[in-house]
Amino acid sequence: QQQVKQSPQSLIVQKGGISIINCAYENTAFDYFPWYQQFPGKGPALLIAIRPDVSEKKEGRFTISFNKSAKQFSLHIMDSQPGDSATYFCAAGGAAGNKLTFGGGTRVLVKP
Amino acid sequence: GAVVSQHPSWVICKSGTSVKIECRSLDFQATTMFWYRQFPKQSLMLMATSNEGSKATYEQGVEKDKFLINHASLTLSTLTVTSAHPEDSSFYICSALDRGRTGELFFGEGSRLTVL
Repeated sequence: QQQVKQSPQSLIVQKGGISIINCAYENTAFDYFPWYQQFPGKGPALLIAIRPDVSEKKEGRFTISFNKSAKQFSLHIMDSQPGDSATYFCAAGGAAGNKLTFGGGTRVLVKP
Repeated sequence: GAVVSQHPSWVICKSGTSVKIECRSLDFQATTMFWYRQFPKQSLMLMATSNEGSKATYEQGVEKDKFLINHASLTLSTLTVTSAHPEDSSFYICSALDRGRTGELFFGEGSRLTVL
Protein backbone atom coordinates (compact mmCIF):
# COMPACT_ATOMS: atom_id res chain seq x y z
CA GLN A 1 0.00 0.00 0.00
CA GLN A 2 1.49 3.28 -1.12
CA GLN A 3 0.82 5.64 1.74
CA VAL A 4 2.24 8.77 0.14
CA LYS A 5 1.37 9.54 -3.47
CA GLN A 6 3.42 12.16 -5.30
CA SER A 7 2.75 13.90 -8.60
CA PRO A 8 3.86 14.65 -11.21
CA GLN A 9 6.60 12.11 -11.85
CA SER A 10 8.53 14.65 -13.86
CA LEU A 11 8.36 18.35 -14.50
CA ILE A 12 10.01 20.75 -16.92
CA VAL A 13 9.97 24.43 -16.10
CA GLN A 14 11.65 27.48 -17.57
CA LYS A 15 14.16 29.45 -15.55
CA GLY A 16 12.31 31.91 -13.38
CA GLY A 17 9.12 29.87 -13.42
CA ILE A 18 7.30 28.14 -10.58
CA SER A 19 7.65 24.41 -9.94
CA ILE A 20 4.74 22.80 -8.13
CA ILE A 21 4.81 19.28 -6.73
CA ASN A 22 1.89 17.68 -4.94
CA CYS A 23 1.62 14.90 -2.39
CA ALA A 24 -1.28 13.12 -0.76
CA TYR A 25 -1.17 10.86 2.25
CA GLU A 26 -3.53 8.35 3.77
CA ASN A 27 -2.39 7.80 7.32
CA THR A 28 -3.92 10.43 9.61
CA ALA A 29 -1.30 9.60 12.25
CA PHE A 30 1.36 11.33 10.16
CA ASP A 31 2.33 14.65 11.68
CA TYR A 32 5.65 15.55 10.07
CA PHE A 33 5.92 16.35 6.37
CA PRO A 34 9.40 17.05 4.99
CA TRP A 35 10.58 17.63 1.45
CA TYR A 36 13.95 16.38 0.27
CA GLN A 37 16.10 17.28 -2.72
CA GLN A 38 18.32 14.61 -4.23
CA PHE A 39 20.99 14.98 -6.89
CA PRO A 40 22.18 11.95 -8.85
CA GLY A 41 24.45 9.70 -6.82
CA LYS A 42 23.87 11.65 -3.62
CA GLY A 43 21.76 11.18 -0.53
CA PRO A 44 18.61 13.24 0.01
CA ALA A 45 18.99 16.64 1.63
CA LEU A 46 16.24 18.22 3.73
CA LEU A 47 14.77 21.28 2.04
CA ILE A 48 11.88 22.28 4.22
CA ALA A 49 9.39 20.58 6.54
CA ILE A 50 6.01 21.33 8.03
CA ARG A 51 3.82 20.07 10.84
CA PRO A 52 0.00 20.01 10.71
CA ASP A 53 -0.49 22.97 13.02
CA VAL A 54 0.33 25.42 10.22
CA SER A 55 -1.04 25.67 6.69
CA GLU A 56 1.98 27.21 5.03
CA LYS A 57 5.71 27.54 5.59
CA LYS A 58 8.13 29.52 3.50
CA GLU A 59 11.91 29.37 3.44
CA GLY A 60 13.53 31.44 0.74
CA ARG A 61 12.22 30.31 -2.63
CA PHE A 62 10.61 27.18 -1.21
CA THR A 63 7.08 27.10 0.20
CA ILE A 64 5.07 24.21 1.60
CA SER A 65 1.29 24.44 1.55
CA PHE A 66 -0.55 22.00 3.79
CA ASN A 67 -4.23 21.02 3.70
CA LYS A 68 -4.99 18.79 6.66
CA SER A 69 -8.62 18.10 5.79
CA ALA A 70 -7.70 17.00 2.27
CA LYS A 71 -4.59 15.16 3.50
CA GLN A 72 -2.52 16.91 0.88
CA PHE A 73 0.60 19.03 0.85
CA SER A 74 2.59 20.66 -1.88
CA LEU A 75 5.98 22.20 -2.59
CA HIS A 76 6.29 25.41 -4.58
CA ILE A 77 9.69 26.42 -5.92
CA MET A 78 9.59 30.06 -6.89
CA ASP A 79 11.94 31.63 -9.43
CA SER A 80 13.21 28.19 -10.43
CA GLN A 81 16.90 28.04 -11.36
CA PRO A 82 18.87 25.46 -13.40
CA GLY A 83 20.63 24.48 -10.16
CA ASP A 84 17.26 23.37 -8.82
CA SER A 85 17.20 20.54 -11.36
CA ALA A 86 17.03 17.46 -9.17
CA THR A 87 14.64 14.83 -7.88
CA TYR A 88 12.33 15.97 -5.11
CA PHE A 89 10.74 13.64 -2.61
CA CYS A 90 7.95 14.37 -0.21
CA ALA A 91 7.72 12.25 2.90
CA ALA A 92 5.47 11.78 5.87
CA GLY A 93 6.21 10.54 9.34
CA GLY A 94 4.88 10.13 12.82
CA ALA A 95 6.12 11.80 15.95
CA ALA A 96 7.87 8.72 17.31
CA GLY A 97 11.29 8.22 15.78
CA ASN A 98 10.60 10.06 12.55
CA LYS A 99 10.19 6.87 10.57
CA LEU A 100 9.44 8.32 7.15
CA THR A 101 7.39 7.06 4.24
CA PHE A 102 8.53 8.59 0.97
CA GLY A 103 6.55 9.60 -2.08
CA GLY A 104 7.60 8.30 -5.49
CA GLY A 105 9.68 11.35 -6.36
CA THR A 106 9.47 14.09 -8.99
CA ARG A 107 12.29 14.78 -11.42
CA VAL A 108 12.46 18.50 -12.03
CA LEU A 109 14.34 19.97 -14.97
CA VAL A 110 14.76 23.73 -15.08
CA LYS A 111 15.63 24.95 -18.56
CA PRO A 112 17.83 28.03 -18.87
CA GLY B 1 23.36 21.13 9.38
CA ALA B 2 24.39 17.89 10.99
CA VAL B 3 26.66 15.55 9.07
CA VAL B 4 26.11 11.88 8.45
CA SER B 5 28.93 10.02 6.76
CA GLN B 6 28.68 6.76 4.88
CA HIS B 7 31.54 4.53 3.86
CA PRO B 8 32.28 3.26 1.34
CA SER B 9 30.56 5.52 -1.16
CA TRP B 10 30.74 2.77 -3.75
CA VAL B 11 31.77 -0.87 -3.70
CA ILE B 12 31.97 -3.65 -6.26
CA CYS B 13 32.04 -7.23 -5.07
CA LYS B 14 31.73 -10.74 -6.39
CA SER B 15 28.56 -12.74 -5.96
CA GLY B 16 28.57 -14.71 -2.71
CA THR B 17 30.74 -12.32 -0.76
CA SER B 18 29.65 -10.08 2.11
CA VAL B 19 29.88 -6.31 2.16
CA LYS B 20 29.78 -3.97 5.14
CA ILE B 21 28.58 -0.38 4.90
CA GLU B 22 29.18 2.07 7.74
CA CYS B 23 27.01 5.01 8.74
CA ARG B 24 28.40 7.57 11.19
CA SER B 25 26.87 10.66 12.73
CA LEU B 26 29.83 13.01 12.93
CA ASP B 27 28.64 15.82 15.18
CA PHE B 28 25.72 14.41 17.12
CA GLN B 29 24.66 11.26 18.91
CA ALA B 30 22.08 9.19 17.09
CA THR B 31 20.14 6.70 19.15
CA THR B 32 18.12 5.86 16.06
CA MET B 33 19.34 5.32 12.52
CA PHE B 34 17.44 4.15 9.47
CA TRP B 35 18.59 2.18 6.45
CA TYR B 36 17.02 2.72 3.05
CA ARG B 37 17.44 1.11 -0.31
CA GLN B 38 16.95 2.96 -3.58
CA PHE B 39 16.86 1.44 -7.05
CA PRO B 40 17.56 3.64 -10.09
CA LYS B 41 14.90 6.29 -10.69
CA GLN B 42 12.86 5.00 -7.80
CA SER B 43 12.02 6.22 -4.34
CA LEU B 44 13.65 5.33 -1.05
CA MET B 45 12.34 2.19 0.58
CA LEU B 46 12.87 1.79 4.30
CA MET B 47 14.65 -1.45 5.11
CA ALA B 48 15.10 -1.27 8.86
CA THR B 49 15.24 0.90 11.94
CA SER B 50 18.40 0.63 13.97
CA ASN B 51 18.41 1.50 17.67
CA GLU B 52 21.61 1.79 19.64
CA GLY B 53 22.17 -1.20 21.86
CA SER B 54 19.22 -3.23 20.65
CA LYS B 55 18.17 -5.37 17.70
CA ALA B 56 17.12 -3.67 14.52
CA THR B 57 13.49 -3.63 13.45
CA TYR B 58 13.07 -4.78 9.88
CA GLU B 59 10.34 -3.78 7.46
CA GLN B 60 8.09 -6.42 6.01
CA GLY B 61 9.77 -8.33 3.22
CA VAL B 62 13.34 -7.47 4.25
CA GLU B 63 15.43 -10.51 5.14
CA LYS B 64 17.07 -9.85 8.48
CA ASP B 65 19.58 -12.68 8.01
CA LYS B 66 20.68 -11.22 4.70
CA PHE B 67 20.89 -7.60 5.77
CA LEU B 68 22.62 -7.59 9.14
CA ILE B 69 22.42 -4.34 11.04
CA ASN B 70 24.51 -3.46 14.06
CA HIS B 71 24.20 -0.23 16.02
CA ALA B 72 26.89 -0.67 18.64
CA SER B 73 27.48 2.97 19.51
CA LEU B 74 25.64 6.27 19.48
CA THR B 75 27.50 7.38 16.36
CA LEU B 76 27.86 4.23 14.28
CA SER B 77 25.51 1.81 12.58
CA THR B 78 26.61 -0.83 10.08
CA LEU B 79 24.74 -2.70 7.39
CA THR B 80 26.25 -5.97 6.19
CA VAL B 81 24.89 -7.48 3.01
CA THR B 82 25.66 -11.18 3.40
CA SER B 83 26.21 -13.54 0.50
CA ALA B 84 25.49 -10.73 -1.93
CA HIS B 85 23.90 -11.48 -5.29
CA PRO B 86 23.44 -9.27 -8.37
CA GLU B 87 19.86 -8.46 -7.33
CA ASP B 88 21.25 -6.85 -4.18
CA SER B 89 22.94 -4.21 -6.34
CA SER B 90 21.43 -0.92 -5.27
CA PHE B 91 22.02 2.44 -3.62
CA TYR B 92 21.94 2.06 0.16
CA ILE B 93 21.31 5.19 2.20
CA CYS B 94 21.36 5.64 5.94
CA SER B 95 19.83 8.41 8.00
CA ALA B 96 20.31 9.43 11.59
CA LEU B 97 17.88 11.10 13.94
CA ASP B 98 19.23 14.07 15.86
CA ARG B 99 16.87 13.92 18.81
CA GLY B 100 18.94 16.08 21.06
CA ARG B 101 19.26 19.22 18.98
CA THR B 102 17.02 19.66 16.00
CA GLY B 103 14.81 16.60 16.00
CA GLU B 104 15.53 16.31 12.30
CA LEU B 105 16.55 13.36 10.21
CA PHE B 106 19.85 13.70 8.36
CA PHE B 107 20.84 11.50 5.46
CA GLY B 108 24.20 10.12 4.46
CA GLU B 109 25.55 10.42 0.94
CA GLY B 110 24.66 6.85 0.10
CA SER B 111 26.66 3.76 -0.84
CA ARG B 112 26.44 2.30 -4.33
CA LEU B 113 26.75 -1.51 -4.24
CA THR B 114 27.38 -3.44 -7.43
CA VAL B 115 27.46 -7.22 -7.20
CA LEU B 116 29.04 -8.97 -10.16
